[in-house]
Amino acid sequence: EVQLVESGGGLVKPGGSLRLSCAASGFTFSDYTMIWVRQAPGKGLEWVSSLSGNTRYIYYADSVKGRFTISRDNAKNSLYLQMNSLRAEDTAVYYCARDDFGGNNDYWGQGTLVAVSS
Amino acid sequence: IQLTQSPSSLSASVGDRVTITCRASQGISSFLAWYQQKPGKAPKLLIFAASTLQSGVPSRFRGGGSGTEFTLTISSLQPEDFATYYCQQVNSYPFTFGPGTKVDIK
Repeated sequence: EVQLVESGGGLVKPGGSLRLSCAASGFTFSDYTMIWVRQAPGKGLEWVSSLSGNTRYIYYADSVKGRFTISRDNAKNSLYLQMNSLRAEDTAVYYCARDDFGGNNDYWGQGTLVAVSS
Repeated sequence: IQLTQSPSSLSASVGDRVTITCRASQGISSFLAWYQQKPGKAPKLLIFAASTLQSGVPSRFRGGGSGTEFTLTISSLQPEDFATYYCQQVNSYPFTFGPGTKVDIK
């Protein structure tokens, strides 16, 4: 059974940093592109970043480029999102998801809440 | 690539036929997916490649369209279908989502 479990969310002050993790199981993690998607409270979905299985291909939304860094450890079946220079508008539930080779996200984690506030 | 959805919300009854439209700011061939999201839950993939039903999704869901205009149709709305629906283009990065369409009970 495919499982994705996010962790690392919490309350952080503006300008602060946070590192999210996503633990994957039930599939060959290194074969798949993985992504982060976020959802601000009461708002829609926002695609954040994508990282290919071999780490050659990395993409970011303009809203986070230069502040967030996506990475992975295939030996640990884990995906990460390092978030720096956090702003109030980064407050959201952050989901990790698997890309099914076609850009579609067939499995999702339960999400982890990041709140940026002084 | 920007996506718009219409309507932004709708009220419908069980058994109704419902159609949601998603428009792209430029042609994306058939590189479009539809997701369903219920409150407090992660999104669920319903349709990919504009019209291909994801495994396990009921056949009352149907996707159509190509280029810049796409539709999601629910042929006979069921109680478990009340949710918010999002389209997403996967033609080119960043893979943008539409703003969502909330379907609630009339």
